[in-house]
Amino acid sequence: GESVGLHLPTLSVQEGDNSIINCAYSNSASDYFIWYKQESGKGPQFIIDIRSNMDKRQGQRVTVLLNKTVKHLSLQIAATQPGDSAVYFCAEKRSGGNQFYFGTGTSLTVIP
Amino acid sequence: NAGVTQTPKFRVLKTGQSMTLLCAQDMNHEYMYWYRQDPGMGLRLIHYSVGEGTTAKGEVPDGYNVSRLKKQNFLLGLESAAPSQTSVYFCASRPGKSGANVLTFGAGSRLTVL
Repeated sequence: GESVGLHLPTLSVQEGDNSIINCAYSNSASDYFIWYKQESGKGPQFIIDIRSNMDKRQGQRVTVLLNKTVKHLSLQIAATQPGDSAVYFCAEKRSGGNQFYFGTGTSLTVIP
Repeated sequence: NAGVTQTPKFRVLKTGQSMTLLCAQDMNHEYMYWYRQDPGMGLRLIHYSVGEGTTAKGEVPDGYNVSRLKKQNFLLGLESAAPSQTSVYFCASRPGKSGANVLTFGAGSRLTVL
């Protein structure tokens, strides 16, 4: 079936470096995408979102890029800090739908 | 505001027992969701509701029932628990069609079925 997937299950980066987490989706009808951060023992927390009519959106230290041609989005974290260590999920919502479909997650470890 | 509150946080059941997980939100959100999270499988939607008195099936509804008698509460029931239902359950809510799409999650309920 169709699903949202991540290219890498784990990612380790040095503190201060930039992190890039990738996500692929397969449904061209998806018009809204969200990135969530989940720390151990907690529920997912919203990081940033993007609609399909945009290619890029920036937040505080985070940027989401959307490439509709290859159905790919990425989350970039600038100057990664130890507090960024968590599992990151992308999720998609299809146009007109009420359901959100989540990827399997990428575990980010920041090395001090 | 408390946001989304789930009770209980932990529960151990024996096979065949029944239980109900409660989700309460104080943000006046229209839409509410129940997800389960298993290792390596991300979040999978069990059931959801687009308003008081309505429910709909998600990706993995079998073995679960839900009710939305009050706008602020969304209950997830297991009538006859099975070991395959051992998981962490998350409730989430969002404003609705005219509001933001961002889901606000609870802290989770860890269920173990022996």
